[in-house]
Amino acid sequence: AQSVTQPDIHITVSEGASLELRCNYSYGATPYLFWYVQSPGQGLQLLLKYFSGDTLVQGIKGFEAEFKRSQSSFNLRKPSVHWSDAAEYFCAVDLFASGTYKYIFGTGTRLKVLA
Amino acid sequence: DVKVTQSSRYLVKRTGEKVFLECVQDMDHENMFWYRQDPGLGLRLIYFSYDVKMKEKGDIPEGYSVSREKKERFSLILESASTNQTSMYLCASSPRGQGRDEQFFGPGTRLTVL
Repeated sequence: AQSVTQPDIHITVSEGASLELRCNYSYGATPYLFWYVQSPGQGLQLLLKYFSGDTLVQGIKGFEAEFKRSQSSFNLRKPSVHWSDAAEYFCAVDLFASGTYKYIFGTGTRLKVLA
Repeated sequence: DVKVTQSSRYLVKRTGEKVFLECVQDMDHENMFWYRQDPGLGLRLIYFSYDVKMKEKGDIPEGYSVSREKKERFSLILESASTNQTSMYLCASSPRGQGRDEQFFGPGTRLTVL
């Protein structure tokens, strides 16, 4: 069955440190790939998306993600984390299965930033 | 600025009550979605709609129904609320393309059923 895995439930980093959040998917082809961020008490906001082409995509707030077909991964990165990046991050895929399109979210990674 | 609004941020209801959660989008989007969000489970799709008066079951439709009488409004109905429906409910919309695009989310409604 198709699925999205975010193996890290919680991650803590110091302000100014680099960040990588992992996302793996299970699907026979390349889906459309997304990263969303949810600040406390808010809905989700799109950070970036990948449909095709250059496998390194840039997003808002200084985030980037790299698609690796061989690893079925779409990891999110930021070179220097700010305290305002503390939030929950969701990876999502959009794929075609069983005759319909499905949008599947990972279970999320909660980021804590230490001052 | 694009906007998805939900009728309430917080709601407290009693077991057995009928509950209506309203969602309105001003982007003229065809697709609308209702999710529930629970810790450790991420977002799970309850129902979605690709057009007015059209609805499709998601992964966890039991205990819920929906209504879409106008393009901009998508309502989630809990016919008889139960304590296991205590959760955060998120509404989202996206343009035509059967979901193959960014989804725009409302701020969520935190529902507590006592």
